[in-house]
Parts: sequence; structure tokens; C-alpha cells
Amino acid sequence: ETGVTQSPTHLIKTRGQQVTLRCSSQSGHNTVSWYQQALGQGPQFIFQYYREEENGRGNFPPRFSGLQFPNYSSELNVNALELDDSALYLCASSSAGTGASGYTFGSGTRLTVV
Amino acid sequence: QKEVEQDPGPLSVPEGAIVSLNCTYSNSAFQYFMWYRQYSRKGPELLMYTYSSGNKEDGRFTAQVDKSSKYISLFIRDSQPSDSATYLCAMRMDNQFYFGTGTSLTVIP
Repeated sequence: ETGVTQSPTHLIKTRGQQVTLRCSSQSGHNTVSWYQQALGQGPQFIFQYYREEENGRGNFPPRFSGLQFPNYSSELNVNALELDDSALYLCASSSAGTGASGYTFGSGTRLTVV
Repeated sequence: QKEVEQDPGPLSVPEGAIVSLNCTYSNSAFQYFMWYRQYSRKGPELLMYTYSSGNKEDGRFTAQVDKSSKYISLFIRDSQPSDSATYLCAMRMDNQFYFGTGTSLTVIP
């Protein structure tokens, strides 16, 4: 299967709950990055995983955490959801050392916190 | 001040017009300069990228980078209704991409 796939496509959670979002990276890619895109804004970098280790993090609190699995798929976990966490969450995969052309974004998971 | 500034528009042009989209940035350490197109309910799709000052052309699209002024542009010639989307500029430093807010473009038939 080619391309980056994310699941679920949409979900609604209540404030204070926890959520897990999933990402399957493109075949041959070993690095996964997660971004948060609020409505009307550009994507904001959350963190990146390479070989199952976090190797870069943006300005997000610790309640945003992640995992990368041996098959290079990844999860984003958000605890204690807040209303401002409502956004499109994007996953991008790449191969380590790739240039700008090597990043592929998924279609995202739209999270609504009520 | 944001590291990447982009006019959010919206921008509306007639079919066939030349479109000019622009971003400014503050960090001279940025290594790559990209333009992404994002359709509604989709992830960003890479249109153009460059790592040096000057122009890069691909079909109807031309990307321009001026590192001395910290300014990048995307020009779309002979715009088509299918070009209607949000255009995001992005810059890369190390492992992280820094995006502009995006400019919403509508090309009217």
C-alpha cells in the first residue's frame, strides 16, 4: 500500500478525555512527524519519531505523546483533552536524511473536543 | 512575531489570471523553502521546493526565493478553477517544518 494513511478520519471527544490517533507511513519511510492544524491556520509541528525514538519536539505540552512501532507506523496520544485541541491532526512520513521532496502527508484526523 | 508570515487572503481571481502568493520569514537558518497546496479535507501536497535563492519553474508554477530579503513567492500562470485551494508556504530547519497560515485561492471560471 502506498501513501500515508491515518485513522480515524473524524472523531468527537469530550473535554478531559484521552484520544489515540494512528498513522501508517508510506512504504519505505522510517520517520514519522505529527502536526496540528487549527482551523484557518498552518500546521504546527508536534514531534517526530525515528527508529521508535522521539528526535524532535515542538512547543506542545507533555500531555501530547507518541509512539513509533517497528513497522514504522505511529500513534499520537493526547491526554486531558481541552477545547483548543480541536484541530486537524496530520501525519507525515519520510526517509531519514531526505530532502524537502520526501515528505508525504496523510489526509489527517479531524478531532472535535466538546 | 511568527517565524513565517503569510497573508491569509482570501484571494479571488478570474480564470487565466496570474496569481502571486507571498511569504516572509524571520529565521535565516531555514534550509528549505516549500509551497504546498491543500484541498478541503485533505493533507498538504508538495508543489515546489528549493534550497537556494533564485527562481525555480515547473509548468505553470514558479517559486522564487530571496534570502537577503527573507521573502518567498509562488507564481501561478494561466490559473485554472482546479487551482482553487489553500496554498501554504513552509520552511524547514533540521527536522521541523514551519508553515505559514495559508492563503485561500479561488479561481473563477
